[in-house]
Amino acid sequence: GAVVSQHPSRVICKSGTSVKIECRSLDFQATTMFWYRQFPKKSLMLMATSNEGSKATYEQGVEKDKFLINHASLTLSTLTVTSAHPEDSSFYICSAGGGQNIQYFGAGTRLSVL
Amino acid sequence: GQQVMQIPQYQHVQEGEDFTTYCNSSTTLSNIQWYKQRPGGHPVFLIQLVKSGEVKKQKRLTFQFGEAKKNSSLHITATQTTDVGTYFCGWGAQKLVFGQGTRLTINP
Repeated sequence: GAVVSQHPSRVICKSGTSVKIECRSLDFQATTMFWYRQFPKKSLMLMATSNEGSKATYEQGVEKDKFLINHASLTLSTLTVTSAHPEDSSFYICSAGGGQNIQYFGAGTRLSVL
Repeated sequence: GQQVMQIPQYQHVQEGEDFTTYCNSSTTLSNIQWYKQRPGGHPVFLIQLVKSGEVKKQKRLTFQFGEAKKNSSLHITATQTTDVGTYFCGWGAQKLVFGQGTRLTINP
């Protein structure tokens, strides 16, 4: 199946710093990518839809200024957690569509904010 | 708005026993997908169902989509330890939204 690469897999940062997470579709182009957040033993919560060449569409309750999304090319979307705080610690996962509504997921990024 | 409930939240079985998880929607779904997430891993696509009453099989896994396209189930026959993980249903045309997931643990 299609491959989606997500980097970094794990990051530990100090409170107040910003963290950038990259999501790349390696063998296909993705005009749309999705960012999810997952708390321990919970489901994946859709945060936003990343649209190539235009603004991201955020789900209700997700702060767009807190979670900056950039989708500058057909193979790369980035999520920046700005001024991270301990409550932002979570597992962030991206996905890209490989056709027929099927989503292929990156391996995820575990963010720990101290 | 649309509400989809996935049950049970947890299921613990003895190896060799069967397992079933259900997703029930308050409204008709255009399609439903099933994903598996191993502990510490990311979701992996299993299957998509789009037709009313559709039944698909993958070895020991059987997927069903109800006649009214409001419910779906995933049934595993004779579970093995490799089946451990969380199973999610997902739906949506423009964006994929997930159910709450069913965490399956197995006693070898």
